[in-house]
Amino acid sequence: QKEVEQNSGPLSVPEGAIASLNCTYSDRGSQSFFWYRQYSGKSPELIMFIYSNGDKEDGRFTAQLNKASQYVSLLIRDSQPSDSATYLCAVTNYGQNFVFGPGTRLSVLP
Amino acid sequence: KAGVTQTPRYLIKTRGQQVTLSCSPISGHRSVSWYQQTPGQGLQFLFEYFSETQRNKGNFPGRFSGRQFSNSRSEMNVSTLELGDSALYLCASSLMAGSSTDTQYFGPGTRLTVL
Repeated sequence: QKEVEQNSGPLSVPEGAIASLNCTYSDRGSQSFFWYRQYSGKSPELIMFIYSNGDKEDGRFTAQLNKASQYVSLLIRDSQPSDSATYLCAVTNYGQNFVFGPGTRLSVLP
Repeated sequence: KAGVTQTPRYLIKTRGQQVTLSCSPISGHRSVSWYQQTPGQGLQFLFEYFSETQRNKGNFPGRFSGRQFSNSRSEMNVSTLELGDSALYLCASSLMAGSSTDTQYFGPGTRLTVL
């Protein structure tokens, strides 16, 4: 069974700090990796995706992928209270369905 | 471009009844996936449809079924509802199924409560 693991949190960081969210996956053949943000009572919204080893930056967000270690992370710089949400990691391979992790709840303290 | 739409947004049913949920994907998207989200189990994959064919299926009982129409709109049906079926049902659309560069976009969800 393909699994995606995340620390459930809550992860608490002060406003302006860097929040680091981690995700590990079991399927070594996984090709695509996604981070979604979900506010309470809302549906998940895509933050960013990454396919290649290394870092990918998009504004305050940086995704990091290490396929050898089967590890993907999301860094949020200059964290804001509005970043407080649950962050879902999703992994997929060609022709297969997305597998989501349980999510990490982030709380940014003013 | 309009996003993914789901109807109804809220639904209350009683045990034993059946329910049909609808999802309209983003225009041009041909793949639709359905998920069940509960506080305890997180986001669980139900099934995926592409070009009116079920491509992938999760580990749910046969009471859960779905279909996709020629215009890519999709429906899922749950028969003989149980209390444990109370959940947020999410639909996600993507341009095409099976591409490693494809991305899923979620609708607002249907909140189902079974009494």
